Amino acid sequence: SAVISQKPSRDICQRGTSLTIQCQVDSQVTMMFWYRQQPGQSLTLIATANQGSEATYESGFVIDKFPISRPNLTFSTLTVSNMSPEDSSIYLCSVARGEYGYTFGSGTRLTVV
Amino acid sequence: GQQLNQSPQSMFIQEGEDVSMNCTSSSIFNTWLWYKQDPGEGPVLLIALYKAGELTSNGRLTAQFGITRKDSFLNISASIPSDVGIYFCAGKYSGAGSYQLTFGKGTKLSVIP
Repeated sequence: SAVISQKPSRDICQRGTSLTIQCQVDSQVTMMFWYRQQPGQSLTLIATANQGSEATYESGFVIDKFPISRPNLTFSTLTVSNMSPEDSSIYLCSVARGEYGYTFGSGTRLTVV
Repeated sequence: GQQLNQSPQSMFIQEGEDVSMNCTSSSIFNTWLWYKQDPGEGPVLLIALYKAGELTSNGRLTAQFGITRKDSFLNISASIPSDVGIYFCAGKYSGAGSYQLTFGKGTKLSVIP
């Protein structure tokens, strides 16, 4: 399965600022996904990022708040913009390889103060 | 959106005991996946189920895909302290948007030595 490097692993940010999270995969993948995991909760899909096209956002998530880049088949970034304490969560990237292989990064634990 | 009902929400068991948890859905999934998440880490895939009625084992873990495709269970035999963590079920459809996973709310497992 793919090896995913996600950075930063954690951060504490001031409200109103933005944080960009990076996801690097050790091999080329078609589909990359960004999830949010609020404290004590399950994973919620934010968006699907395909190389060369706009990300597809799930209901409740918008590009202005969570802009995503996917410049090539091994890298993606998620930005959490104009942060508020409600954005405090773990953000995870995931890749799909073929029909059944889903691998997750170790996550970025974000605290907004 | 689609929802998975996962139970129990939490379990406290003695080391050596067997564990059982399950997920149900009002919708049919073509694939069921079981993940484990350790603190500070992303989810790690334990077992993937692709066919209705399929029973699959991975060491002390056994999972089954329900005949109706609307449910799945995960059993852990002879639990050990390192089994502690949060277990998530996830379902996936085939067809359009087939790479998206829907997650249950998780079962938090605590093992008492």
